[in-house]
Amino acid sequence: DAKTTQPPSMDCAEGRAANLPCNHSTISGNEYVYWYRQIHSQGPQYIIHGLKNNETNEMASLIITEDRKSSTLILPHATLRDTAVYYCIVRGTSGTYKYIFGTGTRLKVLA
Amino acid sequence: EPEVTQTPSHQVTQMGQEVILRCVPISNHLYFYWYRQILGQKVEFLVSFYNNEISEKSEIFDDQFSVERPDGSNFTLKIRSTKLEDSAMYFCASSESGRSVVSEQFFGPGTRLTVL
Repeated sequence: DAKTTQPPSMDCAEGRAANLPCNHSTISGNEYVYWYRQIHSQGPQYIIHGLKNNETNEMASLIITEDRKSSTLILPHATLRDTAVYYCIVRGTSGTYKYIFGTGTRLKVLA
Repeated sequence: EPEVTQTPSHQVTQMGQEVILRCVPISNHLYFYWYRQILGQKVEFLVSFYNNEISEKSEIFDDQFSVERPDGSNFTLKIRSTKLEDSAMYFCASSESGRSVVSEQFFGPGTRLTVL
């Protein structure tokens, strides 16, 4: 089973920031948080990952709480093309290679 | 930007037939994966492959499945005798490193397998 919990769906107005939460209360010290998204039935697309510090790249920002039990993915200026299912995945640096996908959050960006 | 490619994009087969799904991972990547997604369901891990051998597999990956890296660029998934329940999107992924080093996996566009 996935080690993360996400809301099933969210809406966001185009041009506004989309804030997608994820709970991972059982995360271990060596486990990273990864975010992917899947547009329609395309292959999952990597967005960002982090361990404990906040991270930012050209696509998004990742905010991880100090206790690391939750995180938020921020799309600063959502566009219609950001409509997708967003997955938060926890994976360590030992024990397994695989990603365990949950059901994700279906983000709908509204015009 | 380098990307993972998969062929064919859609494969239709009769139950009991063998199918081979093909993938070309990103060229400098060393770890390869197959996942599948049955329509409307979660993305599920099937197998990971490194140094010409399986490094991890799920319970879905039974004796009907096999993987191979026949040359320096291709990575294949073979299903020996397809069943109706094998109908799904199959995604190939690759990463520079495996579990001991943080390394994101890059996914291909998928092959839609339909078993009739």
